[in-house]
Amino acid sequence: QVQLVESGGGLVKPGGSLRLSCAASGFTFSDYYMSWIRQAPGKGLEWVSYISSSGSTIYYADSVKGRFTISRDNAKNSLYLQMNSLRAEDTAVYYCARIYGDYVFFDYWGQGTLVTVSS
Amino acid sequence: EIVLTQSPGTLSLSPGERATLSCRASQSVSSSYLAWYQQKPGQAPRLLIYGASSRATGIPDRFSGSGSGTDFTLTISRLEPEDFAVYYCQQYGSSPLLTFGGGTKVEIK
Repeated sequence: QVQLVESGGGLVKPGGSLRLSCAASGFTFSDYYMSWIRQAPGKGLEWVSYISSSGSTIYYADSVKGRFTISRDNAKNSLYLQMNSLRAEDTAVYYCARIYGDYVFFDYWGQGTLVTVSS
Repeated sequence: EIVLTQSPGTLSLSPGERATLSCRASQSVSSSYLAWYQQKPGQAPRLLIYGASSRATGIPDRFSGSGSGTDFTLTISRLEPEDFAVYYCQQYGSSPLLTFGGGTKVEIK
C-alpha cells in the first residue's frame, strides 16, 4: 500500500533553516509528481511546492519562493523540502502528498510533520 | 488571481440529513482541475472527489460532486457519524497555480 512518511520537523528560530524529508513506498516513486502542502495551526490548507517526476519542473507558492527548495531522489524514493530564512508565519504541519495524473490533485498524503518557528 | 470561497463556514446537521457544500471560484475553473477533500481532527486530508464529479477510490456513493465554471458543489446525501469533518475544495491551473478554499466544517447539530 502507498505510504508517505515525513520527518525533519521541529522547533527553529526565526531566520533559521530546516530540511524536511518524505519517504515513499508502495508505488513507483519515479513515476509521480510530488508536492508539499502545509497547514498552520487551526487554519486551512496551503499549497507550498510541487516537483515533476524527473525533477525537471518545479513550482512554488509566492509565499515561499526564494526561501524554500523542493527536490527529490528517485533512487532513494524520497522527497525533500529545504526551508531557509524561516519566519513565524511558516509555522505549520507540513504534508507530503502524491499528485495524481495530469490534473494535479493529491491522492495520497503523509501524516505530516510539525515545524514551529519561534524564538 | 483565483480565490476559492467555500460556504457556509460551518454547517450544523444531524446524522441522516443531506449536506450541501458550496465552492465558488472568483474566475472560471476547468472542471477537470477541481477536487474535494475531507479532513478529520489530527488527520491528513483525504481525497473525496476529483474532476469535479468523480469519486476517488473507496469513497462511498453518498458523496457526490457537481458544478462547472465558477460554482461547484459537494453533496453528502445522508450524513453518517464519520462524515462530520472539515471539507476543502482545491483548484489547479491558474494564478496562483494551485489553491484551496477556506473549508467548510460539518458539525453535529
